[in-house]
Amino acid sequence: EAGVAQSPRYKIIEKRQSVAFWCNPISGHATLYWYQQILGQGPKLLIQFQNNGVVDDSQLPKDRFSAERLKGVDSTLKIQPAKLEDSAVYLCASSLIPTNEKLFFGSGTQLSVL
Amino acid sequence: TQLLEQSPQFLSIQEGENLTVYCNSSSVFSSLQWYRQEPGEGPVLLVTVVTGGEVKKLKRLTFQFGDARKDSSLHITAAQPGDTGLYLCAGSPWGGGSYIPTFGRGTSLIVHP
Repeated sequence: EAGVAQSPRYKIIEKRQSVAFWCNPISGHATLYWYQQILGQGPKLLIQFQNNGVVDDSQLPKDRFSAERLKGVDSTLKIQPAKLEDSAVYLCASSLIPTNEKLFFGSGTQLSVL
Repeated sequence: TQLLEQSPQFLSIQEGENLTVYCNSSSVFSSLQWYRQEPGEGPVLLVTVVTGGEVKKLKRLTFQFGDARKDSSLHITAAQPGDTGLYLCAGSPWGGGSYIPTFGRGTSLIVHP
């Protein structure tokens, strides 16, 4: 069974530039999560999708971050414009159903904002 | 304020030693999960504890869920270098409707050969 796929693996940009991350969850998983993990900290939930609808985005900085999951399968997270404090690993995870506590994570995208 | 507080934040020990890490909250959880994350990778689920007072064993790892379902611990017996990693607890508070998983800050464990 293929795992959660994320790309790119690494990204280096300058502040005020824009960047996009892509995630393809495990086939058949209805729920998709984007987490931000700053060095030395645990993952912080940015947005949770159930199919193509948003379950929670209370911690997403909506003035600069956006995410979509148009067909209920893969998802894109965008930052525009990026700030220095956005430097982090962006993790995508999926689960079979919303009440399933078992999350499967991708390897993440490491973003450096200079 | 973190919903889930983990301690200690860092732990550096020698191979063969025992250790315990803690995950505490003032909220009640329907379940708690423990993940291990290695450098450059995403977290991988180790176990889910569901019942208050429950104890689960996974080889040398013992997980316990507090009676009040507000805390959990992970005990490792005879640690090995392969146990090195970031240990994260996660859960969604009871009665929230949707399952929205929140993570603690993690315990970074280094086991020296």
